[in-house]
Amino acid sequence: SQKIEQNSEALNIQEGKTATLTCNYTNYSPAYLQWYRQDPGRGPVFLLLIRENEKEKRKERLKVTFDTTLKQSLFHITASQPADSATYLCALGWRIGSSNTGKLIFGQGTTLQVKP
Amino acid sequence: GAGVSQSPRYKVAKRGQDVALRCDPISGHVSLFWYQQALGQGPEFLTYFQNEAQLDKSGLPSDRFFAERPEGSVSTLKIQRTQQEDSAVYLCASSLTGGPYEQYFGPGTRLTVT
Repeated sequence: SQKIEQNSEALNIQEGKTATLTCNYTNYSPAYLQWYRQDPGRGPVFLLLIRENEKEKRKERLKVTFDTTLKQSLFHITASQPADSATYLCALGWRIGSSNTGKLIFGQGTTLQVKP
Repeated sequence: GAGVSQSPRYKVAKRGQDVALRCDPISGHVSLFWYQQALGQGPEFLTYFQNEAQLDKSGLPSDRFFAERPEGSVSTLKIQRTQQEDSAVYLCASSLTGGPYEQYFGPGTRLTVT
């Protein structure tokens, strides 16, 4: 069956350290993968997109890798801050024929807590 | 600028009642998505519109769920004869078009069925 798995347990780290979140999937062949941040009571907010032919993407303190052989994406936040505390969601998207559908399948999310 | 808005933000319905949830996407966004999010879970895809055309409704859990976007902008998700298992947050998102573009999410409507 198709499955997307993120670290189910909350990740607690000290301010200034690098947080690494994992997204593993099975039985999907995604064309791209996105990472979102969600704060309590709010909708998800887009962070980064990486396509199947890309290995790594960076944006400020954020870095995402995508290994289609391992079927895994890693999401890194360097120099973490308490304000980074939130739930982080990975989401897979794919093509039907030559068209990207836009439909996203989300993992269950990982809660990150950065302690001062 | 204005983001995606949803109304109502909270809805309490008695079991068996019908509810209608509204989504106002970002102006000019072609694609509109509805998701259902249970507590502690990621959003689950329900349905997708491109303009007024509903291109994918594979995620709608039953025929009690119905969505429309008649003029290609505002969308309504209707749930008939609500059941307790329908209790969840319903999220709407819009994007410029389908494909690998970021989706802008609204704050969601929290539906509680008693």
